[in-house]
Amino acid sequence: EDKVVQSPLSLVVHEGDTVTLNCSYEVTNFRSLLWYKQEKKAPTFLFMLTSSGIEKKSGRLSSILDKKELFSILNITATQTGDSAIYLCAVEGVTSYDKVIFGPGTSLSVIP
Amino acid sequence: DVKVTQSSRYLVKRTGEKVFLECVQDMDHENMFWYRQDPGLGLRLIYFSYDVKMKEKGDIPEGYSVSREKKERFSLILESASTNQTSMYLCASSVLRDTQYFGPGTRLTVL
Repeated sequence: EDKVVQSPLSLVVHEGDTVTLNCSYEVTNFRSLLWYKQEKKAPTFLFMLTSSGIEKKSGRLSSILDKKELFSILNITATQTGDSAIYLCAVEGVTSYDKVIFGPGTSLSVIP
Repeated sequence: DVKVTQSSRYLVKRTGEKVFLECVQDMDHENMFWYRQDPGLGLRLIYFSYDVKMKEKGDIPEGYSVSREKKERFSLILESASTNQTSMYLCASSVLRDTQYFGPGTRLTVL
């Protein structure tokens, strides 16, 4: 059965800390892994990862995929209170349709 | 920018009522999706559509139906709302095999 597992489920850190969020998956015919940030409303897209070992960066956020071990990490350096959100990991499999399987999310709280 | 809109941000309905949730996208995307989001369960796919008048069941279709009469509009229907359908409902759209873009969500409460 296809599934996505995220850890930790919740995390509280102080501003300036560095955090690492984990995502592991099992999916038939893997196509890509996606990271989303969700604040008060809908998820917003962060990264799409398709190849192992290639780090994607956007400001203080970075992510990398390991297709052999079936996991990805999302790093946030020098955290700010505005980073407080739920971070969702999702995986796409190659099927006849674009089915995406989401993990439960990691709730990150950054306190001053 | 891709824009996905949903008809209501907050909705309160009574058990047994018929509920319509509307989603509209303005980027001519082929694919549209309906998810529900519950604490600890993440996003779960209810139904999706890859073309006008085409629909496919997702992981949790029971108690729901959908309609896609026009490419830009995808409706989720709760034929007879129940309290266990209280949830956040998210609509998304995508070009074939590309990133999904989400609407703002509808928080539905069924009393």
